Amino acid sequence: GAGVSQSPRYKVAKRGQDVALRCDPISGHVSLFWYQQALGQGPEFLTYFQNEAQLDKSGLPSDRFFAERPEGSVSTLKIQRTQQEDSAVYLCASSLISDEQFFGPGTRLTVL
Amino acid sequence: AQSVTQLGSHVSVSEGALVLLRCNYSSSVPPYLFWYVQYPNQGLQLLLKYTSAATLVKGINGFEAEFKKSETSFHLTKPSAHMSDAAEYFCAVRSIYNQGGKLIFGQGTELSVKP
Repeated sequence: GAGVSQSPRYKVAKRGQDVALRCDPISGHVSLFWYQQALGQGPEFLTYFQNEAQLDKSGLPSDRFFAERPEGSVSTLKIQRTQQEDSAVYLCASSLISDEQFFGPGTRLTVL
Repeated sequence: AQSVTQLGSHVSVSEGALVLLRCNYSSSVPPYLFWYVQYPNQGLQLLLKYTSAATLVKGINGFEAEFKKSETSFHLTKPSAHMSDAAEYFCAVRSIYNQGGKLIFGQGTELSVKP
């Protein structure tokens, strides 16, 4: 596809479960970003990769959140022992270096 | 630290009326500035961006924004609203020193367009 894709689009988890959210960036895009968007709020930065290197993870809210991009393409955001406050839309974006960020449709996570 | 403030979480206009969505930023140096639009259940789409070239920036769908350093503002305007403009709009900043860097978003403004 031509754009950023994310899967699943919707995820319901019971409190305490682990979840994994996938992002497929635009082919050739070096940079990849994860953002968290709570209901009624603007997106908030979580972490940033340049190729496979995680250059900034200052936005990850706790050590339950972990992201990887092992081959510099697909990225996975993992949340361990989910809590209700983790309920949000998780957005992935990719870009060429120092260029426009293209956003995926997001994964809506609901923790019961 | 950089921040963005969007004045008004909800704005309602009539079809054909002027659209004005307000954005003010806080930054020690003028940053790069962006406006994104988000339709329900979709990702964000870039409307326009300011990267220290012309202060009046034209974007897609008839939108434009003017960078005013003295007012630390980057308000979004459109002369005539269309029903299809109803969506959530986000203003964002990025440091000019951090080329690969994160965007910092405002809280968003929901635009409603009345027929």
